[in-house]
Amino acid sequence: GQNIDQPTEMTATEGAIVQINCTYQTSGFNGLFWYQQHAGEAPTFLSYNVLDGLEEKGRFSSFLSRSKGYSYLLLKELQMKDSASYLCAVADSNYQLIWGAGTKLIIKP
Amino acid sequence: ETGVTQTPRHLVMGMTNKKSLKCEQHLGHNAMYWYKQSAKKPLELMFVYSLEERVENNSVPSRFSPECPNSSHLFLHLHTLQPEDSALYLCASSQDPLGGYNEQFFGPGTRLTVL
Repeated sequence: GQNIDQPTEMTATEGAIVQINCTYQTSGFNGLFWYQQHAGEAPTFLSYNVLDGLEEKGRFSSFLSRSKGYSYLLLKELQMKDSASYLCAVADSNYQLIWGAGTKLIIKP
Repeated sequence: ETGVTQTPRHLVMGMTNKKSLKCEQHLGHNAMYWYKQSAKKPLELMFVYSLEERVENNSVPSRFSPECPNSSHLFLHLHTLQPEDSALYLCASSQDPLGGYNEQFFGPGTRLTVL
């Protein structure tokens, strides 16, 4: 079956760095997405990786290793507003998004 | 209005009621989606429409009935729901459901409670 695994919850300190991991097993691969979802709000797009390597976008970076079925989202210089759930999703061979359950990130002052 | 809008934002209904959820996208996209989001569970894809044609129906119970009258509007008709159907229902749109980079834009969701 198809499966996306990510930690349920993580805690980090304001100003620090946190890495949220995602491992996947899917039938085919057409890219990996990271979305951010604040409580009670819509998920919003953060990043897309289809080739191996690191994509940097401001304070956020996303890494992909297709051979390992692994990705991570790196958040630097954490701010209180980064407290949210982070969703990992993989587009399978049919371009259907398979979603992880999300990682709830708690930022402490 | 911009992006993807959904109404109502909150809905409480009894198991014998009939109600409808509405979604509208103002992005000129060709594909629209319904998802169910339950606490601590992955997003569950329910239906996908591409150019008003249903292209995906992931074994959703018949008490959920989608309707896509045009590429900008999507409805989810609800009848004789069960308490386990209580969840956040998210609508999303994208340029095309197939082919490469395909970012989905989400609406704020409808929080549904079935009593």
